[in-house]
Amino acid sequence: GIQVEQSPPDLILQEGANSTLRCNFSDSVNNLQWFHQNPWGQLINLFYIPSGTKQNGRLSATTVATERYSLLYISSSQTTDSGVYFCATSRRGSTLGRLYFGRGTQLTVWP
Amino acid sequence: DTGVSQDPRHKITKRGQNVTFRCDPISEHNRLYWYRQTLGQGPEFLTYFQNEAQLEKSRLLSDRFSAERPKGSFSTLEIQRTEQGDSAMYLCASSLGLRTADTGELFFGEGSRLTVL
Repeated sequence: GIQVEQSPPDLILQEGANSTLRCNFSDSVNNLQWFHQNPWGQLINLFYIPSGTKQNGRLSATTVATERYSLLYISSSQTTDSGVYFCATSRRGSTLGRLYFGRGTQLTVWP
Repeated sequence: DTGVSQDPRHKITKRGQNVTFRCDPISEHNRLYWYRQTLGQGPEFLTYFQNEAQLEKSRLLSDRFSAERPKGSFSTLEIQRTEQGDSAMYLCASSLGLRTADTGELFFGEGSRLTVL
């Protein structure tokens, strides 16, 4: 498989603060996705980003595939951003969609 | 709603009973995946279908687990003789795999939470 490490494991912020979540992976990848898991357990797609930079509102993500890491930026955080953020990827040459997940970053945003 | 749907959302059963979960993927998606997530962990791959063919199975999928996708649309995941260690969230995902546009981007359903007493 492929090893996916996320940091930090836990993050506590006050509303309005910015944060950066990191995902390191151990091999060349053909897919990288960021998800937010809501309190009911559903994984919500944030970004499909095997390389490059994307932005969606207050969230943006950057993947540097050659250096085997991806970053998720959250600006002006809100209490609704709370939850677990997962990075997931699949190894180049393996089945697309067979994702390996990190253990997630638990984000708590206080009002 | 055109997302991935799963049923039931919650299932409580006694050890030794059989349970079945259903997944309806996004209608135009030809690929369907099952994952399992235990508390404090990220989801882990179980199995994958392209249309009706089951193309890959994880070692996590013991003989007590069977998955089907008979007509290439919805899928079922059955667990026979449940054990307490089977307690987990079972997640279904789908993706569109075309020769000309195949990213492997997955879209997940809300999951089916299993509790084995």
